[in-house]
Order: sequence, then structure tokens, then C-alpha cells
Amino acid sequence: AQKITQTQPGMFVQEKEAVTLDCTYDTSDQSYGLFWYKQPSSGEMIFLIYQGSYDEQNATEGRYSLNFQKARKSANLVISASQLGDSAMYFCAMSRPSGGYQKVTFGTGTKLQVIP
Amino acid sequence: NAGVMQNPRHLVRRRGQEARLRCSPMKGHSHVYWYRQLPEEGLKFMVYLQKENIIDESGMPKERFSAEFPKEGPSILRIQQVVRGDSAAYFCASSPWAQNTEAFFGQGTRLTVV
Repeated sequence: AQKITQTQPGMFVQEKEAVTLDCTYDTSDQSYGLFWYKQPSSGEMIFLIYQGSYDEQNATEGRYSLNFQKARKSANLVISASQLGDSAMYFCAMSRPSGGYQKVTFGTGTKLQVIP
Repeated sequence: NAGVMQNPRHLVRRRGQEARLRCSPMKGHSHVYWYRQLPEEGLKFMVYLQKENIIDESGMPKERFSAEFPKEGPSILRIQQVVRGDSAAYFCASSPWAQNTEAFFGQGTRLTVV
């Protein structure tokens, strides 16, 4: 069975600094996808970044990058130049093929607080 | 192009009542996924539907919960005879095809059972 682990329930970071949010996963599938979502206090789920298991380059989207270490089964999110608006819950998720579609499992989340 | 629309945003029900949660996917999306988020937890998969078909309901409780995605109209998640433990945020996501690498989420419906 697939499993996503986020070991940091909460993190603090100084504004303008970089921060890394940890995510490890467990799967026996060769083909899978890794996602990060942001959930601000308003509650919506905002897609940030995606990495396919066969992608050789780390995914980047603006200030977000995904540090994909396949052998270690880790998919850490790096946020550069933190902003106050980055304060939110961050969820790591993994998709795997299941009966012809991609079934997604979420981690328990990391609460990030950016300090001015 | 409107995003995934969920309504209502907030729903209060007394124990024993029925809750109906609606999800209109993005235009052109025929795949809908429902997730439940209990307080202080991540999202848990409930059900995956295509138009008029339930594809995977392995995450749905066996009793009181049902979902549909009719040919016309929104997808509906129905919870009958709600209990306090059903209080949660319910999210709907949609994608244009099953293998999509990114699903677009609605803003969720926060159900409170009193």
C-alpha cells in the first residue's frame, strides 16, 4: 500500500529565507506522481507543483521547487524567499495507477508560519 | 473559465438530517473525485466518478454515504442521517481525463453536525 509521511507538523521560517518541507513516500509502483498542495486558512486547496517518477529534472514553479530523490523516496518542497502569504498548511500527495486512473493519497500536512 | 464550484460552502445539519453537497466540475472535465478532511488531518479519498458511473468508491463508508454524477448537472455527495463524526470539510476535485497529473480542487464544503 502506498503511504505518504510528513514528519514536520509545524515549521517556522523568517521572511525572505528559504524553507524545506519534508515528504517521504512508500510505494512499490514504478510509475507514480508526487504533488504539493497549499491550504491557506481560508481552506481551499491550491496546487503548487508536480513531479513524475520518470522525470529526471526536479520540478520548479516560480519560488517552489521539488527536491526529488528517488532512491531515498523523498519529495521535499523548497520554498525560496518566503513571504508572509506563504503561511499555510502544505500537503504532500502521491498518485499511483489504480484501475485505470490515478488514485491520490495525501500526507498529514505541515503548518508553515512565516515570521516577519 | 470558472473553476470547480462547490456549494454550499458551509452547511449545518442536526443529527439525523440529510446533507447534500454539490460539485460542479470545471468545464470539459468529466472526472470527479471526492475527499474528506477531518480536523487537523490530510485529505482522505472517498470516491471517484465519471459521468453516470462510479469508478472507485473504496473510500466511502458503506452506510449512509452515496455519490452520483449524472449526465446533466453537478456531482452530489449525499450523507443520510448525519452524525457528529461526519463533521468535516468535503472537497471535490475534477480533471479532464483519468490520467491527469493535476486535479483542480473546489473550495470545499464545511459540514458541521450539531
